[in-house]
Amino acid sequence: AQSVTQPDIHITVSEGASLELRCNYSYGATPYLFWYVQSPGQGLQLLLKYFSGDTLVQGIKGFEAEFKRSQSSFNLRKPSVHWSDAAEYFCAVGAGNAGNMLTFGGGTRLMVKP
Amino acid sequence: AAGVIQSPRHLIKEKRETATLKCYPIPRHDTVYWYQQGPGQDPQFLISFYEKMQSDKGSIPDRFSAQQFSDYHSELNMSSLELGDSALYFCASSLVSTEAFFGQGTRLTVV
Repeated sequence: AQSVTQPDIHITVSEGASLELRCNYSYGATPYLFWYVQSPGQGLQLLLKYFSGDTLVQGIKGFEAEFKRSQSSFNLRKPSVHWSDAAEYFCAVGAGNAGNMLTFGGGTRLMVKP
Repeated sequence: AAGVIQSPRHLIKEKRETATLKCYPIPRHDTVYWYQQGPGQDPQFLISFYEKMQSDKGSIPDRFSAQQFSDYHSELNMSSLELGDSALYFCASSLVSTEAFFGQGTRLTVV
């Protein structure tokens, strides 16, 4: 069975600083990988996804993620964080059609200092 | 652009009551997924439907049932509610072989 680990429960960065959120997965085949963002009490918004091909994936809001098979990782990065990026971030691995039967990691709560 | 619509947005029920949550997928999407997110937890996959047939099943309790109708909307029926059923319930929709889009969720509180 697939699993996802997000080692950092909370991360605080200063506005304008760079960001990297870690994600490690366990999956028997080539994974479908996703990053979602959730603001408090809100739904899940897809930031980016990896299905195949180029291992560096560009997403919305200036985010990118790199799939590293050798490390079973799919870390999310942003070069300069904005205060509006404060939210909960979930990494997920997918199975089923288009990988939409998702197993989520525990999430990383990002706080942004002014 | 049209999004996934879930109703109601908030629901309060007493223990042992029944609740029905509704999900209206993005137009032309043929697949619906249900997730449960407990307080401070990550979302857990419950069940999915493709073309009105159940396609995958996750950790859905036997007290819960779901179906997808001919207009592709879906309903999650929850009976004999327990306090532990209090959660945010998400519906997502997709075309087969494309990524899923999530609704805003229904917050169920069982008292």
